[in-house]
Amino acid sequence: NAGVMQNPRHLVRRRGQEARLRCSPMKGHSHVYWYRQLPEEGLKFMVYLQKENIIDESGMPKERFSAEFPKEGPSILRIQQVVRGDSAAYFCASSGGRGGTEAFFGQGTRLTVV
Amino acid sequence: GESVGLHLPTLSVQEGDNSIINCAYSNSASDYFIWYKQESGKGPQFIIDIRSNMDKRQGQRVTVLLNKTVKHLSLQIAATQPGDSAVYFCAENMRNYQLIWGAGTKLIIKP
Repeated sequence: NAGVMQNPRHLVRRRGQEARLRCSPMKGHSHVYWYRQLPEEGLKFMVYLQKENIIDESGMPKERFSAEFPKEGPSILRIQQVVRGDSAAYFCASSGGRGGTEAFFGQGTRLTVV
Repeated sequence: GESVGLHLPTLSVQEGDNSIINCAYSNSASDYFIWYKQESGKGPQFIIDIRSNMDKRQGQRVTVLLNKTVKHLSLQIAATQPGDSAVYFCAENMRNYQLIWGAGTKLIIKP
């Protein structure tokens, strides 16, 4: 049973390009959470999704950022027109139910904007 | 306000000794608190949690203490091993899914 799979592990984008981060939850999990982590800091909640629904996006910047979790396929975190300040590690977690302690984290995608 | 913070950014411990990592929080309404371990280049790994109606919880080699009076949380690791080297985060659980994270404490094990 594979864990939470994120890809790519490392992503380099030039300013103004789009970044797409993918997260495949653990088998049987229908809840996905995205977090962002800056160096030497803790994780910051961004968005909580269930299949085809955004439950809470209170941590998402209002512009350029969007997330989806379609009926089929992985969850996607999309960042349009990236800027240097978007450089960070983005972690995805999944759970089978609603609850932070049941969540398992992926290895993260490290986005570098040059 | 809602914040979770850590007292020490780095903790050096002799191998075999016990480690104590501290955390302060400010939101009294949280349901429970969680400790995560994050090794370099990896995602956070759940260690142990504690509900707000408990004072102490023990796991394998780890103990979490919660002092609600002073809003303080600690993680004790017994007989620290080289594999314990990591950054340790305390997180505060809100709304049953959203975690508020502290900045982390880096644990260094001296041989």
